[in-house]
Amino acid sequence: AQRVTQPEKLLSVFKGAPVELKCNYSYSGSPELFWYVQYSRQRLQLLLRHISRESIKGFTADLNKGETSFHLKKPFAQEEDSAMYYCAPKGANFGNEKLTFGTGTRLTIIP
Amino acid sequence: NAGVMQNPRHLVRRRGQEARLRCSPMKGHSHVYWYRQLPEEGLKFMVYLQKENIIDESGMPKERFSAEFPKEGPSILRIQQVVRGDSAAYFCASSPLAGNTGELFFGEGSRLTVL
Repeated sequence: AQRVTQPEKLLSVFKGAPVELKCNYSYSGSPELFWYVQYSRQRLQLLLRHISRESIKGFTADLNKGETSFHLKKPFAQEEDSAMYYCAPKGANFGNEKLTFGTGTRLTIIP
Repeated sequence: NAGVMQNPRHLVRRRGQEARLRCSPMKGHSHVYWYRQLPEEGLKFMVYLQKENIIDESGMPKERFSAEFPKEGPSILRIQQVVRGDSAAYFCASSPLAGNTGELFFGEGSRLTVL
């Protein structure tokens, strides 16, 4: 069964401290992994995807196939990072296009 | 490009009534996804449609719920005989092409309250 787990519903971090948002998945085949973010009063939007291997707003995420994890990290938190973050795997097989979202982690950056 | 437009933003219905939620995808997008978010829960996939076709409805309740995406006009999520448990935020997303980068573009959601 396809499943994604974000164990922390709430996470508070001081400004300037490192951030790690955890995501574990159980998915058949080789899924593509995404992180989506929803800032206050804004739409849910893509933050980054694992195939791009890019850093967006200082965030990176490494796909660990052995641990089936895709944790989101940032070395120095900023106040504007406060938001709701969702991990989302997607089946890479043709025809299986939907994203499966985790329950999300609400990140609060303490000034 | 105005982005994905959903209406109404807020809808109040009494038990037993019908709810219709509309979603206009981004210009040029032919794929629409509906998700439901119950209080304190994540986004749950409901249905994925292309123009005039339902591709995946594995997340749709078998009864009372239906979705369509006609050749002309918005996609509609229809809930018949609503019950209190249907109270949720319903999000629509669109994408330009199946098998693309995987990015979905979301609307602001429609919040349904069933009295």
